[in-house]
Amino acid sequence: NAGVTQTPKFRILKIGQSMTLQCTQDMNHNYMYWYRQDPGMGLKLIYYSVGAGITDKGEVPNGYNVSRSTTEDFPLRLELAAPSQTSVYFCASTHGGFGELFFGEGSRLTVL
Amino acid sequence: AQSVTQPDIHITVSEGASLELRCNYSYGATPYLFWYVQSPGQGLQLLLKYFSGDTLVQGIKGFEAEFKRSQSSFNLRKPSVHWSDAAEYFCAVGAKDSNYQLIWGAGTKLIIKP
Repeated sequence: NAGVTQTPKFRILKIGQSMTLQCTQDMNHNYMYWYRQDPGMGLKLIYYSVGAGITDKGEVPNGYNVSRSTTEDFPLRLELAAPSQTSVYFCASTHGGFGELFFGEGSRLTVL
Repeated sequence: AQSVTQPDIHITVSEGASLELRCNYSYGATPYLFWYVQSPGQGLQLLLKYFSGDTLVQGIKGFEAEFKRSQSSFNLRKPSVHWSDAAEYFCAVGAKDSNYQLIWGAGTKLIIKP
């Protein structure tokens, strides 16, 4: 049972570079989320999706983009990386509503 | 606006001692309340949740939490902690009218003394 798989686990970017964090789930969940976690700040929602073809902004969407072309995949795109995007990123999914969130292991991104 | 406060950034307890982690929320209607645990280097895992009914809810790994509406609290407890409980614990509150989004507390890091 793979659950939620995120890649890469670690990445160092230079300011202005772009990259995509990959997230895939094999539980046929409709709802998928991208969070960032900063020390002492808890989780902040970047973007979420309630199904293929549907995405919406969360609390901190600036500097990021997402797409949801399939139920399984929910990639997060960082354009023009900035030091403020240094963080740990988590992808999560649930079948819907307030069901249990299943998290990936996280992707640690450093922007220098 | 909804908010969640976990007043303790760190808590240190001895192995075998009891544990209580505090969580206070601010929300106008009946909240949906959650506790998640994050082991080092891992994603978060659901410990327990409260939607309605009995205000004392049981979760996995021997944890329980009590919803107290009058105090706007949802504290997490465990009678006897084990070294494997060392982790960071997050309280979260949700609202149906926010498209099921969760608001997260800042987390409490639990340190276990041998």
